[in-house]
Amino acid sequence: ETGVTQTPRHLVMGMTNKKSLKCEQHLGHNAMYWYKQSAKKPLELMFVYNFKEQTENNSVPSRFSPECPNSSHLFLHLHTLQPEDSALYLCASSQEGGSGEQFFGPGTRLTVL
Amino acid sequence: KQEVTQIPAALSVPEGENLVLNCSFTDSAIYNLQWFRQDPGKGLTSLLLIQSSQREQTSGRLNASLDKSSGRSTLYIAASQPGDSATYLCAPGGYGNKLVFGAGTILRVKS
Repeated sequence: ETGVTQTPRHLVMGMTNKKSLKCEQHLGHNAMYWYKQSAKKPLELMFVYNFKEQTENNSVPSRFSPECPNSSHLFLHLHTLQPEDSALYLCASSQEGGSGEQFFGPGTRLTVL
Repeated sequence: KQEVTQIPAALSVPEGENLVLNCSFTDSAIYNLQWFRQDPGKGLTSLLLIQSSQREQTSGRLNASLDKSSGRSTLYIAASQPGDSATYLCAPGGYGNKLVFGAGTILRVKS
């Protein structure tokens, strides 16, 4: 595996379900990001982790809970979501102290019923 | 708060044309700026990264320029091909490498 991978690629869940999105980067980076891309809206930054520590929470509702157990893995735990949370969720990574170039995964297409 | 505008919103051209995509941003206190392409339903592919101290970067048929003081960047695509059809996104990076994205330019290159 190379680059940034995300699983699952597609997810359909009800409003009462609990699910998790997983991201793994194979680039040796130390910063990881979650972004949300809704229909007809620009990409929005949700969370930033540097060296496993959360450094940014962009006013994201608590029904989204990130977890970064190590520099290679990032999770987004989902619970009691709303239909308006349906979107493409993208993970990215970069090297803190490097050029800052961010590399993105293929995304998870989430549908909340 | 950083705001990013991309013009045009959509562009349809015949194969072989040279193209210019425009990006403007309101806060010039940026560390870098990235251009990405996104194919329908897919993730983002990084095309070019320009550091705030640089004026331009080139990769193959792509050239990106940055005028930080005026809050502008352009992406130049030479000799466009149908495979270039995608959405092109501009994202200036501020403190903490936080990218702010524009809405994108949807490009269609007709064969």
